[in-house]
Amino acid sequence: GAVVSQHPSRVICKSGTSVKIECRSLDFQATTMFWYRQFPKQSLMLMATSNEGSKATYEQGVEKDKFLINHASLTLSTLTVTSAHPEDSSFYICSASALAGGIQETQYFGPGTRLLVL
Amino acid sequence: GNSVTQMEGPVTLSEEAFLTINCTYTATGYPSLFWYVQYPGEGLQLLLKATKADDKGSNKGFEATYRKETTSFHLEKGSVQVSDSAVYFCALSPRTGANSKLTFGKGITLSVRP
Repeated sequence: GAVVSQHPSRVICKSGTSVKIECRSLDFQATTMFWYRQFPKQSLMLMATSNEGSKATYEQGVEKDKFLINHASLTLSTLTVTSAHPEDSSFYICSASALAGGIQETQYFGPGTRLLVL
Repeated sequence: GNSVTQMEGPVTLSEEAFLTINCTYTATGYPSLFWYVQYPGEGLQLLLKATKADDKGSNKGFEATYRKETTSFHLEKGSVQVSDSAVYFCALSPRTGANSKLTFGKGITLSVRP
């Protein structure tokens, strides 16, 4: 099956610093990557959708200047949490999918990145 | 808009018991339906999927049938194992178009006792 990796798997940072999370599709080219946030014991909340070479589309209520997304290639997307604060502490999960024949293929998820802001 | 409703949890079963996790959906058109599983501290893994009415998805002993008449996609397993303990998410996605978003249910925690 398709494999998606994330790095780092967990990160601890000081308040006010920025953190970059990478999401890679290892064995397929992802036309679209999605970024989710998951709070403890809750479902996933979609933050943004990104396509290679274009600007990300953010969901309502998600600050695009705080959560910078770059999708530079068909196998790599990055999420940068800028000026992180304790309330940004969460589990961030990416997914990747390919578009084939006008049909969105299955989303494959990365293992997640746990961010703790002190 | 699209929505997915899962039965309330958590669910606790003894090993080898029969499992049913209910999932119903509301959507326009003919969405694809999915079950994802999340083990503690990990991301989501695709468990199975179905893309049209009456399709049955199956994997690792789990099954779910796409029932358009009842707008349901219930997950079943005949004999659960301790290793099946995880959170299970039902989800749907429009079949066509770029950037098709997944709509998730709230998830349900399954605990299997030895």
